[in-house]
Amino acid sequence: GDSVTQMEGPVTLSEEAFLTINCTYTATGYPSLFWYVQYPGEGLQLLLKATKADDKGSNKGFEATYRKETTSFHLEKGSVQVSDSAVYFCALSDPGSNYQLIWGAGTKLIIKP
Amino acid sequence: EAGVTQFPSHSVIEKGQTVTLRCDPISGHDNLYWYRRVMGKEIKFLLHFVKESKQDESGMPNNRFLAERTGGTYSTLKVQPAELEDSGVYFCASSQNLGTDTQYFGPGTRLTVL
Repeated sequence: GDSVTQMEGPVTLSEEAFLTINCTYTATGYPSLFWYVQYPGEGLQLLLKATKADDKGSNKGFEATYRKETTSFHLEKGSVQVSDSAVYFCALSDPGSNYQLIWGAGTKLIIKP
Repeated sequence: EAGVTQFPSHSVIEKGQTVTLRCDPISGHDNLYWYRRVMGKEIKFLLHFVKESKQDESGMPNNRFLAERTGGTYSTLKVQPAELEDSGVYFCASSQNLGTDTQYFGPGTRLTVL
């Protein structure tokens, strides 16, 4: 079945550092890919998404490109801030799975000032 | 526009008791989903409503869980009787259409079974 694998955390960085959180997937069909973020004490928020190969999703300085050849959707940000500290989830939605979201384990990001 | 709301935000019950979680989706969203995250594990799909009908309930763990969506508006998820392994955070999400449409999430209900 479909699955999502993302790098384990926690990831600890200094402010203004470059961020990469790796995400790879397996899917039987042509999924849409998502990054959700959960800030401390809050619910899940959509950060960005991409619906087809080579699409780039972007929001709040974060970017991820849908790479079909490597089945990846890595999250990047050029300069992180303390306010980016949160748990980041990679997920996919596949018509073959009735569009339910299939999730990675989540990566906790800690940014130190 | 109001987002997805869930009630209660926290619930602490004893093993064997019954708990009912409620989700109010975004107005006009026909699709409503339940997910849960058990401690230390991935978020897992439970079920999906389209209006008042269960479209997919393949993720429901067992018959102690009962979900309803009266009139295609709010939904309830009842756990009866609750077991220790049911502890976790229960998320509800809604979307307007299927497919690539974004699922918008509520804040979750943290359930602790003692």
